[in-house]
Formats: sequence, C-alpha cells, structure tokens
Amino acid sequence: EAGVTQSPTHLIKTRGQQATLRCSPISGHTSVYWYQQALGLGLQFLLWYDEGEERNRGNFPPRFSGRQFPNYSSELNVNALELEDSALYLCASSTSAGYNEQFFGPGTRLTVL
Amino acid sequence: GQSLEQPSEVTAVEGAIVQINCTYQTSGFYGLSWYQQHDGGAPTFLSYNGLDGLEETGRFSSFLSRSDSYGYLLLQELQMKDSASYFCAVNNRDDKIIFGKGTRLHILP
Repeated sequence: EAGVTQSPTHLIKTRGQQATLRCSPISGHTSVYWYQQALGLGLQFLLWYDEGEERNRGNFPPRFSGRQFPNYSSELNVNALELEDSALYLCASSTSAGYNEQFFGPGTRLTVL
Repeated sequence: GQSLEQPSEVTAVEGAIVQINCTYQTSGFYGLSWYQQHDGGAPTFLSYNGLDGLEETGRFSSFLSRSDSYGYLLLQELQMKDSASYFCAVNNRDDKIIFGKGTRLHILP
C-alpha cells in the first residue's frame, strides 16, 4: 500500500512569490493535515481538511491557505512568501475518525530567499 | 492557553529504559498521541492514549493521567536505532491539534 506522497521534495522561492505544495493521502483516508516544521520549533499545525471541507486551521495568517480535492488529495498555498516561511512542510492523512493516528509524508522543504 | 511541555533532550544507555514526559494544558482534552521522527525522516505514529492508564506496544509503552494532565512514553531495551526525536500531541474538542516541541533522545553505547 502506498504511503502519503508529497511534491515537490524541494522548492526554492524568493520573497513575495507564491508557493504551491501538493499531497496525496493514503488510499481510503479522507482527512489531510498540513504542518510546518521549522528548525527547533516542532510541528506547528496549519490546516485540517476532511471530506473536502476545511475542518480547522492553526494560528497562521490567511496567506496560508489550501484545499482538498474530490479524490482527497490536497494542496497548500503560501502567498506573499516571507523569509521565515522557510521550513519543512509535512502532510499527514488519516481516516475521518482516526485523527489520533496520522500517517506522514516525507515533506516538502521550502526555502525562501 | 494551550501548551505542551516535554524535555528538549534526554540521554540514556543502550539496553536501558528511558521515560519521556509530557505535560499539557488544553481545554476539552480528548487524548494524547506519541510520534517518533528520525533525522531527515517523517514522523511515525507510536501510540495513543484516550483513557487513563498504560498502553503497551512491544518495547514501547505510553501512559496517561487525565487528572494530572500528564503522560509519558516509556522505551525499554533501548537500541541505537531508537535515537530520534519524540513528540507528544494532543487533540481537543475544538479540533485543534497541538504538538510538543519534541524530545531529542540520545543513546550511548
């Protein structure tokens, strides 16, 4: 069974640009979560999508947004990139009721210059 | 506010037992999860406690005390491959997911 996949692996942008990160969940999983992992700060919860709807979002500005598609894949968009947005962005998936057991993808390393 | 506290680093000897503590403050607490992350890797799920008590999975056990807002991860028969970061995470009634900053476990031969 394929795990959670993310693309691209690495992404380099300049300040002010937009970044789009993609995630495909495990087959049968309807929930997708996005996290930011900056050095030394642990995992910061960004967004939670379930069955195509945004279920919740963390304490991030509106320039962090996303969506979930009918096939449950998801995309994270970061507008007006700032230097401090440089981090590893992790996507995880679970069954709708299984948010306590999340399966993580390998992440996208975003570097903002 | 909502927060989780866990030690930043713990050092133990191969073959020994180590306990990683996690204290939390959140409203409408549902349960406590634990994840392991090796350098350069993705977090992997280890265990979940929704009720008070001990959950055992092989060499790893996790404990929860809801009245004390406290839990811990216990690793037995430590192996060098257990060197990693360990995160506790809570879910609450507002559907917020909060991760701790992680505990770096160093294992000495």
